[in-house]
Amino acid sequence: EVQLLESGGGLVQPGGSLRLSCAASGFTFSSFAMSWVRQAPGKGLEWVSAISGNGGSTNYADSVKGRLTISRDNSKNTLFLQMNSLGADDAAVYYCAKVVVDGNYPYWFFDLWGRGTLVTVSS
Amino acid sequence: EIVLTQSPATLSLSPGERATLSCRASQSVNSYLAWYQQRPGQAPRLLIYDVSNRATGIPARFSGSGSGTDFTLTISSLEPEDFAVYFCQQRRNWPLTFGGGTKVEIK
Repeated sequence: EVQLLESGGGLVQPGGSLRLSCAASGFTFSSFAMSWVRQAPGKGLEWVSAISGNGGSTNYADSVKGRLTISRDNSKNTLFLQMNSLGADDAAVYYCAKVVVDGNYPYWFFDLWGRGTLVTVSS
Repeated sequence: EIVLTQSPATLSLSPGERATLSCRASQSVNSYLAWYQQRPGQAPRLLIYDVSNRATGIPARFSGSGSGTDFTLTISSLEPEDFAVYFCQQRRNWPLTFGGGTKVEIK
């Protein structure tokens, strides 16, 4: 079955760190760019970060640049998001998402989403 | 950053009616626009990409149109499962951005 399963969310104090993981299955993980998208409670979607299939290229939203780091381990079919210096604005459900590909070209739309993992930032 | 503005914020319709949702970009996104559906408690689902291409498994009642800065998602005849929130997203420029969403609710 083609799926993405996020983990690693939880309660963290302001200024703290957290590492999210996303386990992929049912497709050739290394062939696809991946992304993280977050959604604060009751709010809309916010793109956070993206990474190419081989991990050599990354992009970040300005709101997280320098604090969040995306990475991947293709040998373990897993995507990561290292989150440092967390603040109240980072509280959200974090989704990992698979990027649409046409041939080898990433379309930067998302055709497979996980169920999300909730990050709560509070003292 | 390209800002996507969706309207209306809420659309109140009855099953069987036609829904027309709008997404306006602050600058041209060419044809690089997608639409997603999000039902309560679920992850988003890709409906339409590059303006008018339906994603795999998406029913024909969903269609997209537009170009440049003005785009429309049309649901020709609302089914009970279509009452949800819809988001547009552009891939023309980094950062990728989403619209604020339109909620389609039962009238």
